[in-house]
Amino acid sequence: SAVISQKPSRDICQRGTSLTIQCQVDSQVTMMFWYRQQPGQSLTLIATANQGSEATYESGFVIDKFPISRPNLTFSTLTVSNMSPEDSSIYLCSVEGETDTQYFGPGTRLTVL
Amino acid sequence: SQQGEEDPQALSIQEGENATMNCSYKTSINNLQWYRQNSGRGLVHLILIRSNEREKHSGRLRVTLDTSKKSSSLLITASRAADTASYFCAPRGAQKLVFGQGTRLTINP
Repeated sequence: SAVISQKPSRDICQRGTSLTIQCQVDSQVTMMFWYRQQPGQSLTLIATANQGSEATYESGFVIDKFPISRPNLTFSTLTVSNMSPEDSSIYLCSVEGETDTQYFGPGTRLTVL
Repeated sequence: SQQGEEDPQALSIQEGENATMNCSYKTSINNLQWYRQNSGRGLVHLILIRSNEREKHSGRLRVTLDTSKKSSSLLITASRAADTASYFCAPRGAQKLVFGQGTRLTINP
């Protein structure tokens, strides 16, 4: 299994600012995924991040709002830009292991005031 | 769509009883995964069942998959208070998991 850590675990931010969330995996993985979970809702895939290429965004998510970096096979960042209260959510990164099992980090709980 | 849809949305049972949650989806899948989430924390992977498997067990968990009906079920036997959580199914197609809305399970002492 993969062990995933995220920083920060939670944050409270002012509207109009940006927050960068870090995701670190204990093993090299090809694909990393970023999800958003709005209050009381299910998980929605934001984008898939492959090392060495541009992230692939899902419908409704754009790079200007959620820029992603994937500098190596164990690390990725997601930035939530120009935040508004509607961005208040839990943001989770995940990776797919060798047996196709997808593992999730503990999440970053973001509150935008 | 590939998205899983869980049923029921909420389930409340007494400790010691069995809990069954169902999941339906609409497209072909490679596998289907079940997760547990406690109070908005990270997701814990419970079990993965592949499209060529019909049933799988893990401890008190039993998962079935019927690809002809595009449905899956998760059975938790001898429930405990610690099983109180939200449970999500996530069918996996060619590239990604897509989560349903989940079942909120409450185990009453």
